[in-house]
Amino acid sequence: DTEVTQTPKHLVMGMTNKKSLKCEQHMGHRAMYWYKQKAKKPPELMFVYSYEKLSINESVPSRFSPECPNSSLLNLHLHALQPEDSALYLCASSQDLALAQPQHFGDGTRLSIL
Amino acid sequence: QQPVQSPQAVILREGEDAVINCSSSKALYSVHWYRQKHGEAPVFLMILLKGGEQKGHDKISASFNEKKQQSSLYLTASQLSYSGTYFCGTERDNYGQNFVFGPGTRLSVLP
Repeated sequence: DTEVTQTPKHLVMGMTNKKSLKCEQHMGHRAMYWYKQKAKKPPELMFVYSYEKLSINESVPSRFSPECPNSSLLNLHLHALQPEDSALYLCASSQDLALAQPQHFGDGTRLSIL
Repeated sequence: QQPVQSPQAVILREGEDAVINCSSSKALYSVHWYRQKHGEAPVFLMILLKGGEQKGHDKISASFNEKKQQSSLYLTASQLSYSGTYFCGTERDNYGQNFVFGPGTRLSVLP
């Protein structure tokens, strides 16, 4: 069991749908991350929140919209996705954004776009 | 800039040793190591800091050669549970910036 909880575990959606991915941690961490991982590839950083403020946006298309309602929750809102957006979406957290902080990952949401 | 990992894949028999390397052309502050089993989350193993150090727990250890900007992960007397993909992740000196995973090394331990 991981200490970072992601829901749903699986999601299938059409290109015109709107859905949200959720991530929750109760470790008191102040940095939270969204990653995208394609099969047999490393996780690719999408967004980083630090103290509930967006700190890093790695040039992600606007059809992905992150939100950090509080220090324990991180959402990723999805709208008008493309088939190439099908992937495993991982959430992670760390104590903060200071250097050399280990990241704790959730089990991910496997997203399929029809 | 993504670090380079070698080898891309390795197959071992239980009890054998393996070394996985991670290198960068840029000066690094730290190297992180993670293991990801199929269908599971990446799991943190250890962090090595610049200044050159060595760390280990159980039969998995690692070193960081600052001069070469290279880290090596050592798996000794491998167990079936060591199977998975090993990723290094590197940080440069900017706070929270430039953390990037290497392409991964797929390790298979056979009975």
